[in-house]
Amino acid sequence: DTEVTQTPKHLVMGMTNKKSLKCEQHMGHRAMYWYKQKAKKPPELMFVYSYEKLSINESVPSRFSPECPNSSLLNLHLHALQPEDSALYLCASSQVEGAGELFFGEGSRLTVL
Amino acid sequence: GIQVEQSPPDLILQEGANSTLRCNFSDSVNNLQWFHQNPWGQLINLFYIPSGTKQNGRLSATTVATERYSLLYISSSQTTDSGVYFCAAPSTGNQFYFGTGTSLTVIP
Repeated sequence: DTEVTQTPKHLVMGMTNKKSLKCEQHMGHRAMYWYKQKAKKPPELMFVYSYEKLSINESVPSRFSPECPNSSLLNLHLHALQPEDSALYLCASSQVEGAGELFFGEGSRLTVL
Repeated sequence: GIQVEQSPPDLILQEGANSTLRCNFSDSVNNLQWFHQNPWGQLINLFYIPSGTKQNGRLSATTVATERYSLLYISSSQTTDSGVYFCAAPSTGNQFYFGTGTSLTVIP
């Protein structure tokens, strides 16, 4: 099973709301990633978790808070977002950090009003 | 990290035509991937190809690691091939570096 599952697929939230994006993989991968993507641009790395520990934070604002409860799950907690944070948020996983084949979920399309 | 460039940036094809997409990278890599992002945003794995040639139906890919480029061939294009094609490679810093993408439109 080469599948990464993301929920929700679509999310609309106000600037004062708190919401979470969820990601799950059952490939036994030990690295999981959050990317942000704007239209017609390549995915932009936000966070990397390796063996359930935060390995890379690409200077992401604190209104985005990642969490890795176990080796299969990755969450992204959202609070006090800005309209410019509207984007497609992609979760991905690979066997180990920065190596092996990278697999993406379907993405969560976020709109901040 | 490495620089990854893709060409052409945009491509419009008549259905049934063939095309070649190119990915150049600035330093040696130990693997390279091609993805197709469909109009709904899903990134679909096409090829994981550190070197050599692989084929999957109408698509094939060739990576020449010593010359730092990879090619994606699409034959007999179909409207469902439309979307954005990205190549990506890992590099220092344990990250995957993405190219800027090729936006393909196949016209019936």
